[in-house]
Amino acid sequence: AQTVTQSQPEMSVQEAETVTLSCTYDTSENNYYLFWYKQPPSRQMILVIRQEAYKQQNATENRFSVNFQKAAKSFSLKISDSQLGDTAMYFCAFMNNNDMRFGAGTRLTVKP
Amino acid sequence: ETGVTQSPTHLIKTRGQQVTLRCSSQSGHNTVSWYQQALGQGPQFIFQYYREEENGRGNFPPRFSGLQFPNYSSELNVNALELDDSALYLCASSLLRGNDRGNEQYFGPGTRLTVT
Repeated sequence: AQTVTQSQPEMSVQEAETVTLSCTYDTSENNYYLFWYKQPPSRQMILVIRQEAYKQQNATENRFSVNFQKAAKSFSLKISDSQLGDTAMYFCAFMNNNDMRFGAGTRLTVKP
Repeated sequence: ETGVTQSPTHLIKTRGQQVTLRCSSQSGHNTVSWYQQALGQGPQFIFQYYREEENGRGNFPPRFSGLQFPNYSSELNVNALELDDSALYLCASSLLRGNDRGNEQYFGPGTRLTVT
């Protein structure tokens, strides 16, 4: 069974600084997808970034980028130039055959 | 383009009762997935519906059931409610195309269910 582990329950970062959130996963599959979702206090889950396992190039979306290490089964999220609006729960998720598994989340607080 | 909507926003039920939660998918999407998110945890996959048929199920008992309608909206039904069913229930819609196994899911705001 696929499992997703986020080892950092809480993190904080100063506004404008860079922060990296960790995620590891366990699977025997070769083709799959990885996602980072953001859940602000308003609770609506928002897709931040997506990575296809067959692509070696790391995905980037503006201030958000990932470091995808397939052999190590690691998928970290880097947030550059952190903004107050980035304060939220961040969930790493693994998908294969439309079955999506989430980690327990990391609560990120951006401090002014 | 309208986003994913869910109703009701909040609900309080008594143990043993039955509940129905509703979800309207984003326009153009044909697949709906349901998740249970307990307080302080990540969402847990309940099941997915595609073209009105169940298209995958997580580790939830049969008292969790669902429907998808021709307009791709969906219902989650839970019978014989238990205290542990108290959670945020999230619906997510997506467009399933051919062999694409990584369709992005767009989430609704959720329904907060409290079982007393």
